[in-house]
Amino acid sequence: GAVVSQHPSRVICKSGTSVKIECRSLDFQATTMFWYRQFPKQSLMLMATSNEGSKATYEQGVEKDKFLINHASLTLSTLTVTSAHPEDSSFYICSAGRVEAFFGQGTRLTVV
Amino acid sequence: AQSVTQLGSHVSVSEGALVLLRCNYSSSVPPYLFWYVQYPNQGLQLLLKYTSAATLVKGINGFEAEFKKSETSFHLTKPSAHMSDAAEYFCAVSDRGSYNTDKLIFGTGTRLQVFP
Repeated sequence: GAVVSQHPSRVICKSGTSVKIECRSLDFQATTMFWYRQFPKQSLMLMATSNEGSKATYEQGVEKDKFLINHASLTLSTLTVTSAHPEDSSFYICSAGRVEAFFGQGTRLTVV
Repeated sequence: AQSVTQLGSHVSVSEGALVLLRCNYSSSVPPYLFWYVQYPNQGLQLLLKYTSAATLVKGINGFEAEFKKSETSFHLTKPSAHMSDAAEYFCAVSDRGSYNTDKLIFGTGTRLQVFP
């Protein structure tokens, strides 16, 4: 099946710094990718839809200036958490695919 | 708008027992439905999907689910639980009617525990 690779799998950063998370589709082209956030023992909440060559579409309540999304190629989308704070600590997961979504391994972000 | 409800945040079964995880959906159009499994600190793995073909869908690891339109349900079952089935399970519905057909709306998840 199709593979979506997410990097890094874990990251610890200091409060106030920025963190970039990459999501790559390894064996297919993805004009659209999705970014989810998952709090401990909770479900996945869609944050935004990443569109290749155009602006991302953010879900209600998600700060676009806080969570910068760039989809510069058909195989790569990046999520940058800017000026991270401890409340941004979470598990972030990306997905790509048509009809069937393939998920990355997730990134555990801890802001200290 | 589409939505998914998973009844029971925790389900516990004995090894070898039947597994039944419940999922009900709400959709204004015929939905695409999915079951995913998540192991700790990992992404999601697709177990099975319904995309308007056969109503009884067989997936990986011995799981299957039946789409019942009259009950708006898509319950996940496995005849005999294995210790390795212990994980978090998510039911999801796809926004089929729009361009972003792979935009998923997830249920709240059900944690399956399997006891020896």
